[in-house]
Amino acid sequence: SQQGEEDPQALSIQEGENATMNCSYKTSINNLQWYRQNSGRGLVHLILIRSNEREKHSGRLRVTLDTSKKSSSLLITASRAADTASYFCATDAGNSGYSTLTFGKGTMLLVSP
Amino acid sequence: EPEVTQTPSHQVTQMGQEVILRCVPISNHLYFYWYRQILGQKVEFLVSFYNNEISEKSEIFDDQFSVERPDGSNFTLKIRSTKLEDSAMYFCASSEQGLGQPQHFGDGTRLSIL
Repeated sequence: SQQGEEDPQALSIQEGENATMNCSYKTSINNLQWYRQNSGRGLVHLILIRSNEREKHSGRLRVTLDTSKKSSSLLITASRAADTASYFCATDAGNSGYSTLTFGKGTMLLVSP
Repeated sequence: EPEVTQTPSHQVTQMGQEVILRCVPISNHLYFYWYRQILGQKVEFLVSFYNNEISEKSEIFDDQFSVERPDGSNFTLKIRSTKLEDSAMYFCASSEQGLGQPQHFGDGTRLSIL
């Protein structure tokens, strides 16, 4: 089955620095999504990139997708303490026409003031 | 901003008992989902629901599980004869459309089986 795997598992940076998280997967996808999860809370959708797109921006977020390498990256620029959270990539194969997300284990990001 | 709400936030149940987890999806959304996250593990897809029937389900979603939309606003997950390994966070999500749309998650129900 397809699988999103993030690296690094944990990332610790200072406020103002950029944070880059990577995701690899195994099979073909319809789209790839990134979510954030604060401790004890649900997942919050950040950005969706379709298989025919290579790069997408949303505010301080930049996502790239390389379908030939089956990988994606999430860049958070000018990080803030409030960005501290776990970040997950989720792949959506959409084989049946319905959405079924497969999540990775996530990257724990700590941004220190 | 509209949000998905889940109740209860924490459910403690004796092994072998039935439990019902409740969700109120965002009102204009048409697709509904349940996921679970065992402590320290990945978020796992359980089931998707559209037009009053299951559209997809994972291997985890066996005969022990069922879903229902009993009225126009609620979406429930029933787990019959609970087992210790059912202990997990259960997340409900909804989306306006299906494939290619972001899913909006609730804050989850922590299910503890004793």
